[in-house]
Amino acid sequence: KQEVTQIPAALSVPEGENLVLNCSFTDSAIYNLQWFRQDPGKGLTSLLLIQSSQREQTSGRLNASLDKSSGRSTLYIAASQPGDSATYLCAVGDTDKLIFGTGTRLQVFP
Amino acid sequence: DAGVTQSPTHLIKTRGQQVTLRCSPKSGHDTVSWYQQALGQGPQFIFQYYEEEERQRGNFPDRFSGHQFPNYSSELNVNALLLGDSALYLCASSLVFSDEQYFGPGTRLTVT
Repeated sequence: KQEVTQIPAALSVPEGENLVLNCSFTDSAIYNLQWFRQDPGKGLTSLLLIQSSQREQTSGRLNASLDKSSGRSTLYIAASQPGDSATYLCAVGDTDKLIFGTGTRLQVFP
Repeated sequence: DAGVTQSPTHLIKTRGQQVTLRCSPKSGHDTVSWYQQALGQGPQFIFQYYEEEERQRGNFPDRFSGHQFPNYSSELNVNALLLGDSALYLCASSLVFSDEQYFGPGTRLTVT
């Protein structure tokens, strides 16, 4: 049974710092891995999608990497801003469904 | 281009009652998935609908049922509500066999 874990559970940093959020999964037979952002009480916004054959994806200040063999993905946020404050969820694609971690709650203070 | 929409936004029900939540997929999408997100947890997959049939189901009891209409919109029904059913219910749409799922804003269900 696939299990997804995210570390740390919470993170509080000053504005301008570069951040690394971690995601690990137990079964390397995945279709893809997706990173989402969730603001309090809101739905999910897709940030990056990495196919199982890819190693990384980039979008603006965000970069996500995937290492299937070790069951790990990292989300790198460069030059963090207060507007980046949210919960970040990683999800592993398993046939037609997504299996989520519990998220990392990020707070960036001015 | 309208994204995924869900209604209602919030709902309060009493234990034992029944509830229906609604979802309209993103334009051009034909597949709808439903997820339950308890407070402080990641979303959990309930089921997926394609061509008006349930295609895959997660580990949820039969009290959770759904439907997809010819226009690809979908409903999630929950019978005999329990306090533990209180959660944010998220709908996601996609194209069949496509990897990326697009999520709606969710319906917050509170069971008292």
